[in-house]
Amino acid sequence: DVKVTQSSRYLVKRTGEKVFLECVQDMDHENMFWYRQDPGLGLRLIYFSYDVKMKEKGDIPEGYSVSREKKERFSLILESASTNQTSMYLCASSSPRGAVYGYTFGSGTRLTVV
Amino acid sequence: AQSVTQLDSQVPVFEEAPVELRCNYSSSVSVYLFWYVQYPNQGLQLLLKYLSGSTLVESINGFEAEFNKSQTSFHLRKPSVHISDTAEYFCAVTISGNTGKLIFGQGTTLQVKP
Repeated sequence: DVKVTQSSRYLVKRTGEKVFLECVQDMDHENMFWYRQDPGLGLRLIYFSYDVKMKEKGDIPEGYSVSREKKERFSLILESASTNQTSMYLCASSSPRGAVYGYTFGSGTRLTVV
Repeated sequence: AQSVTQLDSQVPVFEEAPVELRCNYSSSVSVYLFWYVQYPNQGLQLLLKYLSGSTLVESINGFEAEFNKSQTSFHLRKPSVHISDTAEYFCAVTISGNTGKLIFGQGTTLQVKP
């Protein structure tokens, strides 16, 4: 089975800290995505990547950056964490026609910024 | 741009009763449509999808959804729910032939009561 692993299930950080959320997939997928999930708002796309060293902004990229140095790893970076970034973060991966075959999601990282 | 609206944030229902979770989409071009399910403390899993052909699609656990182009809807139904169906359900859309960027709705929490 395809696995998408997010390094932390729960994370508590202080305002102003630089935060790294890591995501690793083991199926050689080209596409990787970062979403945040908030009650009543569903999933909103932060950034995505179609290949190593490539990245594209999603719908809510402000306050975030990403890094994809290796095909299997896609990192989300909060440059200076703020309380409004408290949320559930979901990573996903897919093949190039991912919408046809479906995404595989990680279990999520619940980030609390205090 | 595409968008998805899930009309109900919460749907409470008794076990063995029928249920319908509503989803409407907006797009000026042909789309693919999806339902994902998120069980408590887990990532999202693909439940079913409409790509083309028959407008009625089914999942292995008894859910079905019907693509209605004239009403731009993709409602999810099950004739008899179980306690184990309690979860959050997300409707999603992407442009036909797209490389894989999904747009998600706000989510509907299905609460099945004994």
